Amino acid sequence: ETGVTQTPRHLVMGMTNKKSLKCEQHLGHNAMYWYKQSAKKPLELMFVYSLEERVENNSVPSRFSPECPNSSHLFLHLHTLQPEDSALYLCASSQELQGNYGYTFGSGTRLTVV
Amino acid sequence: AQSVTQLGSHVSVSEGALVLLRCNYSSSVPPYLFWYVQYPNQGLQLLLKYTSAATLVKGINGFEAEFKKSETSFHLTKPSAHMSDAAEYFCAVPLVRNNRLAFGKGNQVVVIP
Repeated sequence: ETGVTQTPRHLVMGMTNKKSLKCEQHLGHNAMYWYKQSAKKPLELMFVYSLEERVENNSVPSRFSPECPNSSHLFLHLHTLQPEDSALYLCASSQELQGNYGYTFGSGTRLTVV
Repeated sequence: AQSVTQLGSHVSVSEGALVLLRCNYSSSVPPYLFWYVQYPNQGLQLLLKYTSAATLVKGINGFEAEFKKSETSFHLTKPSAHMSDAAEYFCAVPLVRNNRLAFGKGNQVVVIP
């Protein structure tokens, strides 16, 4: 399988649940990103990882916890979420930590918090 | 200061008509520019990118964009819209301060039969 793969594609969770989103890239890229896309809002960059090290956290609430065990895998652990956290969560990767290369995106996880 | 501006969140175009989506960027950004397309319930897919090799860039699905430095623009066009072009389109540029890719607010294209 090539490209960036996100699982699950859809997730419904209660506010007291704990769940994780998974992202895997088969491109040999060194940087990975989590984005949140809400209806009628611009794309929000949440976290940036370079060679498994978190290099950016854009004031994201602690109920979102990222993990990057190696350069091919990225997780987003979720706990005690709020209904306003319902959104499409997109993972992306790039060759290096430079926007010049452009990003490759996964298909996203549609999260609904009930 | 916003690095990339896309005006008009929704754009309606008749099938077979010209598609024109406008993108203006801050003059301080590096000379790399991108257009992405997002189909419903999908991630963003690269349409085309400008890397200073040629001012007219051809992308997938019949789209092209022209880099105009004097106008700080990188407008996306397609001569004849198809129903399958209904999607959201994002212009993106790398930021000078941290080299992250900054995205415009997007244009939702609706194709009218």
